[in-house]
Amino acid sequence: EAGVTQSPTHLIKTRGQQATLRCSPISGHTSVYWYQQALGLGLQFLLWYDEGEERNRGNFPPRFSGRQFPNYSSELNVNALELEDSALYLCASILQGTLSGNTIYFGEGSWLTVV
Amino acid sequence: TQLLEQSPQFLSIQEGENLTVYCNSSSVFSSLQWYRQEPGEGPVLLVTVVTGGEVKKLKRLTFQFGDARKDSSLHITAAQPGDTGLYLCAGDRSGNQFYFGTGTSLTVIP
Repeated sequence: EAGVTQSPTHLIKTRGQQATLRCSPISGHTSVYWYQQALGLGLQFLLWYDEGEERNRGNFPPRFSGRQFPNYSSELNVNALELEDSALYLCASILQGTLSGNTIYFGEGSWLTVV
Repeated sequence: TQLLEQSPQFLSIQEGENLTVYCNSSSVFSSLQWYRQEPGEGPVLLVTVVTGGEVKKLKRLTFQFGDARKDSSLHITAAQPGDTGLYLCAGDRSGNQFYFGTGTSLTVIP
């Protein structure tokens, strides 16, 4: 079974440009989470999509946006890129368990570098 | 304010030593997960604990969920260089709200 897949692996953009990152959840998972992890820091929650709807967003400006498609894949868009947006962007999907609890599975991440 | 606090934030030990990482909160969680993340990669799930007081063992790693389901610990016996990485705890509250800890960066020196 394929895990969470993300693309591209690396992306270099110029300040002011837009970046689009993509994510495919594990087959059967309907929820997708996006996190930002700046170098040396913990995970900062960005966005949560479930069944095509945005369910929650973290404390990030509106230039961070995204959507979830009917096949549950998702994309994250970052507009008007700033240098501090340089980070590892992680996508995750959730397996809802009854006895085992809900578990979140991560992709390998997309490295975004803004120069 | 961070919902889950991990300690210590950084840990550097010699190969063969034992260590414990703590994940604490004032909130109750339905379940709690531990992840290990290596540089440049996504976090990899190590374990999920669900029941208060539960203890799970994964080779040299022992995970415990507090009785009140507010805290957890990860104990590593006889640490090896391959254990080096960022250890993250994550708590699941009802409604699929996942909260991540601040992380513990572990370095095991050969």
